Amino acid sequence: EVQLVQSGAEVKKPGESLKISCKGSGYSFSTYWIGWVRQMPGKGLEWMGIIYPGDSDTRYSPSFQGQVTISADKSITTAYLQWSGLQASDTAMYYCARHRLGRGGYFDLWGQGTLVTVSS
Amino acid sequence: QSVLTQPPSVSAAPGQKVTISCSGSSSNIGNNFVSWYHQVPGTAPKLLIYEDNKRPSGIPDRFSGSKSGTSATLGITGLQTGDEADYYCGAWDNSLSAGVFGGGTKVSVL
Repeated sequence: EVQLVQSGAEVKKPGESLKISCKGSGYSFSTYWIGWVRQMPGKGLEWMGIIYPGDSDTRYSPSFQGQVTISADKSITTAYLQWSGLQASDTAMYYCARHRLGRGGYFDLWGQGTLVTVSS
Repeated sequence: QSVLTQPPSVSAAPGQKVTISCSGSSSNIGNNFVSWYHQVPGTAPKLLIYEDNKRPSGIPDRFSGSKSGTSATLGITGLQTGDEADYYCGAWDNSLSAGVFGGGTKVSVL
């Protein structure tokens, strides 16, 4: 089965670091871009960035550049999203999704989401 | 403020048709394909339309996409209660060198 499975919910304190994961299976992980999408409570979708696991080429939205780090380990077909110093405003649901990069680009396969809660 | 502009909500009776607009610019919709997603609250988004008007396998032909200039439209015919969800448009933005989404439209079936 073609799927993306994300790591479980996290509760963190401000200033802490965090790395969440997204494991792909059932398809050639290295040859498809993987992206991350943020959804803050009660809000819409926000495009964060994408990575090509084959060579780790990464593109960030200007809104998220420098705020998070996207990485991937193709040997274990897993992509990551990490923070070095969480803030309360990072509280959100985070989705990974397979991205078809082209003239337009779109996400054709989505993970179930990882809820990140940052609270003192 | 989203780069792509959608109406906050639309509604219609069961069996009727709704359309959702997505307005952008030459930096995104005007020169790139548009995609559409729907999201039932509490679940992950799902791809409905890609490359302006193509439907992935399994998406019924009640859902259609079109584009003209810097605006795109999602149409849903034969509206069903199961269609109640939030709908988002998306596209690549050449100025940002990144993808962008619309703010989302809530579809209600009266």
